[in-house]
Formats: sequence, C-alpha cells, structure tokens
Amino acid sequence: NAGVMQNPRHLVRRRGQEARLRCSPMKGHSHVYWYRQLPEEGLKFMVYLQKENIIDESGMPKERFSAEFPKEGPSILRIQQVVRGDSAAYFCASSPPTGGSAFFGQGTRLTVV
Amino acid sequence: GNSVTQMEGPVTLSEEAFLTINCTYTATGYPSLFWYVQYPGEGLQLLLKATKADDKGSNKGFEATYRKETTSFHLEKGSVQVSDSAVYFCALSETGGYQKVTFGTGTKLQVIP
Repeated sequence: NAGVMQNPRHLVRRRGQEARLRCSPMKGHSHVYWYRQLPEEGLKFMVYLQKENIIDESGMPKERFSAEFPKEGPSILRIQQVVRGDSAAYFCASSPPTGGSAFFGQGTRLTVV
Repeated sequence: GNSVTQMEGPVTLSEEAFLTINCTYTATGYPSLFWYVQYPGEGLQLLLKATKADDKGSNKGFEATYRKETTSFHLEKGSVQVSDSAVYFCALSETGGYQKVTFGTGTKLQVIP
C-alpha cells in the first residue's frame, strides 16, 4: 500500500507563472489536506477536501490559490501568478473516512525565482 | 482556537544523552496529540500519538504522555543517537472531527557523536 504520493518533489517557477502541485492519497483515503511550511516555520493548515467538495478552506489565501479533489485523479493545489513569498514546502495529507490518523506525503518544495 | 507551543531550538546533545522537548497545548474539548519528525530534506513522519488523557505514546525509544491537567505532551528519549537528528513537531487534532492538525513551530535536534 503506497503512501501519500506528491509530485513533483521540487518545482521551480518564475514570478507570474502558475504552479500545480499534485497529491494522490493513500488507498482507501477519501479526505485530503494541504499544508504549507514556510522556511524555518511549522506547518500551517490550508484546506481540507473530500471527493469533489471543499470542506474547510479557512487557511487558504483569498487570491491566487485554489484546490480541487475531483472524482477521479489526484488532488491539485494550484497557485496562479506566483510570487517569491509563495516559496515554501507544500505538504499533502490524507485520512480515511472513518476518522483515523492523517498520513503525510513527502512534500513539494516550490521555489519562485 | 487551538494552539501548540513547543520549546525553541536548536537543541544540541551528545550521543546517549537524555532528551526532553517540551510541548503544551490549548484546545477546546479533548484533542488527540501527536509528535511528528522531519528528517533533513524529507516529509513528515508520525512518530507517536495519544488520543486520551494519561495515554502514553511510544515508538523507537521515544515516548510522550498525554497530561490533561497540565495540557502537556512532552517528548522524551533516554539515550539519543546521531540518527535522531531532525526537526520534531508537536501537534494536535480535535477528536471526532476531521484530521485538521495544528502544529507547533518545531524543535530542531542535533545529536553530536
């Protein structure tokens, strides 16, 4: 049973470009969470999704950021018109519908140049 | 709202020394408590957890006890190894709800031979 898979592991974007981060949850997990880790800081919750639904996006910046978890395929975190301040590690986690512990992926490290 | 406070690092210890990393929390209700570890360049790994008062989580020689009276979940290890060098995050999530995790800022541990 593969763990939470995130890709790419490293992503470099120029200012103004779009960044797309992908997360495939563990098998049997229907809940996905995205977190952001800024340099030298802890992880901050961004958004919680179930299949085709955003449940809690209280940690998402109001502009340029969006997330989806379609019926088929991975969850996508999309950042439009990236700025240097978006440089961070973005972690995805998944948990089963029964409410068990969340498991984290290895993260995508976004660098905006 | 929920919050987690953990001791600032970095913590530098000699091999075989005793480790304590303090963690206190603020939460409504009765949260589940976690310690995650992040090795250099890697994602988060769940180290141990406790889901109710007086529970002791343990793994790889590390342990932490859920102390409701002091709202604490201090991490301890009797004899650290160089391979334990990593960043340790204390975290909580509300029991019964979804796994939205609140993290502390992390404590960097460096173990020297």
